[in-house]
Amino acid sequence: EVQLVESGGGLVQPGRSLRLSCAASGFTFDDYAMHWVRQAPGKGLEWVSGISWNSGSIGYADSVKGRFTISRDNAKNSLYLQMNSLRAEDTALYYCAKDRAIAAARAPPSFDYWGQGTLVTVSS
Amino acid sequence: DIVMTQTPLSLSVTPGQPASISCKSSQSLLHSDGKTYLYWYLQKPGQSPQLLIYEVSNRFSGVPDRFSGSGSGTDFTLKISRVEAEDVGVYYCMQSIQLPPTFGPGTKVDIK
Repeated sequence: EVQLVESGGGLVQPGRSLRLSCAASGFTFDDYAMHWVRQAPGKGLEWVSGISWNSGSIGYADSVKGRFTISRDNAKNSLYLQMNSLRAEDTALYYCAKDRAIAAARAPPSFDYWGQGTLVTVSS
Repeated sequence: DIVMTQTPLSLSVTPGQPASISCKSSQSLLHSDGKTYLYWYLQKPGQSPQLLIYEVSNRFSGVPDRFSGSGSGTDFTLKISRVEAEDVGVYYCMQSIQLPPTFGPGTKVDIK
């Protein structure tokens, strides 16, 4: 059974940093790209960032480019999101999501399994 | 970015009746590989989104066959043949032919 468990969220002041983690199990982690998707309170879904199986390809939404850094540790089956210079508009539930297609397929991103999310609140 | 729109934004359905949600994209989602990268997700109340349909019309593992997807190019439809109480939630379409992947605003479905 695929499991994705996020952690690291919390209340943080504007301008400060936070590091999110996602522990993955139930699948061969280094066969798949991974993503972060967020959802502001009462709002829709926004893709934040994605990373290929070997970290060779990384992408960011314009809204976080230059402030957030995605990374992964395949030995630890873990995904991370380093969030710097946080703003009030970054307040959201952050989901870790597994890509649907195996790396060899070289397909555009999509998400088949999602974690329960970790809440980030940016407020003074 | 590709803009995704959905209609209606809310839908109230009698159990056992059909339901249909439309999704339109601002650009064609047909890739040069012949596939169309349009997905449907359902977010049940208090839960994470779950994948229903991938590449327009393929049901994901475990998804009941009352859910079906269709469409091409820029116009897509999700149909529920007979709505059940467990189908309530917000339905999102998503494209990934172009980065960033973008979602529609969501269609909230509830039961009459």
